[in-house]
Order: sequence, then structure tokens, then C-alpha cells
Amino acid sequence: DQQVKQNSPSLSVQEGRISILNCDYTNSMFDYFLWYKKYPAEGPTFLISISSIKDKNEDGRFTVFLNKSAKHLSLHIVPSQPGDSAVYFCAASPNRGGTALIFGKGTTLSVSS
Amino acid sequence: DGGITQSPKYLFRKEGQNVTLSCEQNLNHDAMYWYRQDPGQGLRLIYYSQIVNDFQKGDIAEGYSVSREKKESFPLTVTSAQKNPTAFYLCASSRDRGYGTEAFFGQGTRLTVV
Repeated sequence: DQQVKQNSPSLSVQEGRISILNCDYTNSMFDYFLWYKKYPAEGPTFLISISSIKDKNEDGRFTVFLNKSAKHLSLHIVPSQPGDSAVYFCAASPNRGGTALIFGKGTTLSVSS
Repeated sequence: DGGITQSPKYLFRKEGQNVTLSCEQNLNHDAMYWYRQDPGQGLRLIYYSQIVNDFQKGDIAEGYSVSREKKESFPLTVTSAQKNPTAFYLCASSRDRGYGTEAFFGQGTRLTVV
């Protein structure tokens, strides 16, 4: 059973608008969450993270929100740019000092100019 | 430059043959990981190692083997027992098991069984 779920396989947004990518998790032991960006035939690159003691973390155009009670997190990209077009993976770390990251299936973001 | 190097980038294998994918890092990271990516499946964990000479099975370890004889190296062998080996393989490393540690990925190896 999937512990990290990204229910939207794809998202299309116009340049300059906001992109919102969503992620749900089922394991209440997860306490550290990350977003990765991936281009085709390349390895994922780390984008932004958030620990369970926070509900928001911001880095430039990227903001991650965490709602622990709903077991939901989201990545906001404002403003969206064509170069943001990629696959975005949500990942979670089980336990403090935990083991390997658990990834969702990804959401493909397409930003049109 | 520090980073993770996977080789080769593309690999072709005949059915029934074993093949080894290389992963080297010069980041002085303790932990290393192997993931597999299939279309629509995200990244699934094959094996991980937190320290030299120790490794653990991930969710889809059947048909794979690893070794961790050196801190810098974590090769993955895809054996003939792996029923569907064609995929994109990603190696990653992280500083340690400590809280809040992100993993850094290599560029991947595309394995195709012919």
C-alpha cells in the first residue's frame, strides 16, 4: 500500500500563475518531508524540505505547506516559469534518524508561456 | 567537484545475464541507496546501506544484490532472477541517517534487456 500519494499525475499552468502540487501520506511516523524535481533521463534534484515541527517553509519562489492533522503537504510555485516544467516527487522520511526516503509517484508539471 | 557518479548511462543486457551498475560518491556520505524508476511508478527502493559492510533490503530487493566494501562505492547487480529488469536505476547518498538529511542523486543508468 502506498504510504506517499501524489494523486494528480499531471498539472498544466500558465507562465506567471501559481502551481500547486499536492501530496498525502498515511504513515504518522513520517516527520520530515521533501520535494524533488526531475527532468527526463536525469537524477532528481532536491528542491525544498519541511520538518514536522513546522507548517511552512519558504525558499524563493517555492513554498511547502504541511498540514499534519490532514497528513497533507503541498508545494506552491509562484510565479511559475517554463523552466519549472518537470516531474515533481514528494518524499517522506520515516522516523527520526530514519531510513531511506519513501517517494510518491510524481506529478508532471507543464508550464506554458 | 563533489557528487555521485553512475556508470554506464545506458546499458543493454541479454536475458539470463547478470549485470552490475556502478555508483561512486565523493561526498563522504555514510548512507547510499538504490532506487528504480518505472513509468508511472515513482521511485521504489531496492537496497540501502547506512555504513560500510552493511546493507538492508528495500521494497523490491528480489533479483538484485549489492555490496558495500568501501564508503565511496555501492554497486548494484541485477541478476537473471529479476523478472523485469528494464528500468531507469538511480543511486543516491546522504550524509547519515540523521534527522532532516536529504539524499543526493546520480544521473541514473538506463538498463534495457534485449
